[in-house]
Amino acid sequence: DAGITQSPRHKVTETGTPVTLRCHQTENHRYMYWYRQDPGHGLRLIHYSYGVKDTDKGEVSDGYSVSRSKTEDFLLTLESATSSQTSVYFCAIRGEWGTGPLNTEAFFGQGTRLTVV
Amino acid sequence: AQTVTQSQPEMSVQEAETVTLSCTYDTSENNYYLFWYKQPPSRQMILVIRQEAYKQQNATENRFSVNFQKAAKSFSLKISDSQLGDTAMYFCAFRPSYNTDKLIFGTGTRLQVFP
Repeated sequence: DAGITQSPRHKVTETGTPVTLRCHQTENHRYMYWYRQDPGHGLRLIHYSYGVKDTDKGEVSDGYSVSRSKTEDFLLTLESATSSQTSVYFCAIRGEWGTGPLNTEAFFGQGTRLTVV
Repeated sequence: AQTVTQSQPEMSVQEAETVTLSCTYDTSENNYYLFWYKQPPSRQMILVIRQEAYKQQNATENRFSVNFQKAAKSFSLKISDSQLGDTAMYFCAFRPSYNTDKLIFGTGTRLQVFP
């Protein structure tokens, strides 16, 4: 298994509270991603990072912020959680894009189920 | 916008039979990567197969193969000799060009394999 860990695995929080999800990798991969998975929508990209302190927005970035102060950690923060952010969140990592098979594959964490009540 | 479309929300197949899952995508680029991921009930995302757009030969991985039609922007997955363990959600994904770090997913197809 790829060395990628998401924490927490499950969380229930109240509307309006801040929430931070953590993605930790031991592979020293450059690229890290946060996705949310919702029925009928598949996986949608929230934010991604292509290096320490280098991040960019995905298609559903509103209401989310990220930080990457170290190669191994990529944090996703919901500043003020809303019920529409109830979802399963996946972190993914990959190495450099290239022609080798190992460089094209993204490895996923186990997911975090977040419920906002 | 660069999109991935999976038009079959659910599919079913009998054990040992063959099933094909469809995927179409939209990009104006010439070089890109395509992927199929499997998500069993455990929620783990598992790469099934990948295809480089510059390669004309269709990728195969044991019982899994793809039919890559570049002009039609179609990337279907064929599962031969279906097994009960193939029951899962299947997601088509692609990296739209060599100049982007984004990996874009379709909405998924839920496959049920019956004994």
